[in-house]
Amino acid sequence: DQQVKQNSPSLSVQEGRISILNCDYTNSMFDYFLWYKKYPAEGPTFLISISSIKDKNEDGRFTVFLNKSAKHLSLHIVPSQPGDSAVYFCAANPSNDYKLSFGAGTTVTVRA
Amino acid sequence: GAGVSQSPSNKVTEKGKDVELRCDPISGHTALYWYRQSLGQGLEFLIYFQGNSAPDKSGLPSDRFSAERTGGSVSTLTIQRTQQEDSAVYLCASSQDRSYSPLHFGNGTRLTVT
Repeated sequence: DQQVKQNSPSLSVQEGRISILNCDYTNSMFDYFLWYKKYPAEGPTFLISISSIKDKNEDGRFTVFLNKSAKHLSLHIVPSQPGDSAVYFCAANPSNDYKLSFGAGTTVTVRA
Repeated sequence: GAGVSQSPSNKVTEKGKDVELRCDPISGHTALYWYRQSLGQGLEFLIYFQGNSAPDKSGLPSDRFSAERTGGSVSTLTIQRTQQEDSAVYLCASSQDRSYSPLHFGNGTRLTVT
């Protein structure tokens, strides 16, 4: 039962342009959402998060948007850089549960 | 400081053999998690340890899987009588004991069962 879905397995974007990664969830109890970034042969690293009381959180080039009514969140990276080429995982959990549910990931390739 | 350390980084084993995977969490982190990632899939929760509380084993796929955490620090994930479907990257993560504390992952152990 996949509660967090990333329907785009891959994304290719030109350097300097915006990358938009999408994530949908089904569990209405989720109230904390995170994005992780993963390079090959490394573990995922935390990138940015947002709680359900907000609809936007920004950290440098990275912004996460949350639309609770649509059960949808997105990650914007602008401007995209070659070092952003990685797999990005969306994750979520309810406030009373420490277990994160992860999406299958989106592979981002930034072209020079 | 040192991050989460996992060993071995790669393990190839024959079907039916037992394997042990080790995780050293970040010092001071009381929460420890095991996840696995099969090819083309997201991260699948396996087990969670928090301090001295009983572990949450709800994600373990079968009774061939077990894990322990000694002294509130190092953890070992054991898979008995390995099957080919056990082939995956096994990831360990730790976090501080507070709400919404991000998980810090190790680099994983890539297990291949032949």
